[in-house]
Amino acid sequence: GQNIDQPTEMTATEGAIVQINCTYQTSGFNGLFWYQQHAGEAPTFLSYNVLDGLEEKGRFSSFLSRSKGYSYLLLKELQMKDSASYLCAVRIMNYGGSQGNLIFGKGTKLSVKP
Amino acid sequence: NAGVTQTPKFRVLKTGQSMTLLCAQDMNHEYMYWYRQDPGMGLRLIHYSVGEGTTAKGEVPDGYNVSRLKKQNFLLGLESAAPSQTSVYFCASSSSGGHRFFGPGTRLTVL
Repeated sequence: GQNIDQPTEMTATEGAIVQINCTYQTSGFNGLFWYQQHAGEAPTFLSYNVLDGLEEKGRFSSFLSRSKGYSYLLLKELQMKDSASYLCAVRIMNYGGSQGNLIFGKGTKLSVKP
Repeated sequence: NAGVTQTPKFRVLKTGQSMTLLCAQDMNHEYMYWYRQDPGMGLRLIHYSVGEGTTAKGEVPDGYNVSRLKKQNFLLGLESAAPSQTSVYFCASSSSGGHRFFGPGTRLTVL
């Protein structure tokens, strides 16, 4: 079976750094995505990793270790607007077309306090 | 560019009623998807399409049907709604299997 685990909730302080972890046990791994979802809104794409290592995009970075089945999303200089749910999704080969389909974790709700 | 649009935004149905959710995208994407999102369950794939005229089942297809008659449109049908289908439904599109562009969602309540 396919399994993706993330913490349910996290709290952090404005201006701080927070790391949201995602562990997965899947077969046919073909990349990992992070999405941000504000309450009542649609998910929006943040980052993508398919090879091991760190991808940086402004205040957001994402790391992947395929051998450990582990990824994290790092948010720096936290702002109040970063309060949202963060979804980890693994793309699985041979499920849903040539590149595969996404299996989503349940999401981590991040609250940023002043 | 509107991106991905969905209609309606909200709907209340009685058990046994039918309805169709409409999704449209203007990005010329080949792939389109229907997901449902329930508290504590995450996003789950209902059906998807890899091109005009093609559809396939996802993780939770029972009770739903889809059609992709035009490349830009993907329709999700509920033939006989049940309370278990109360959910938020998101349509998404992508070029090949890349990251998904999501629509704003349809909040459906089945009484």
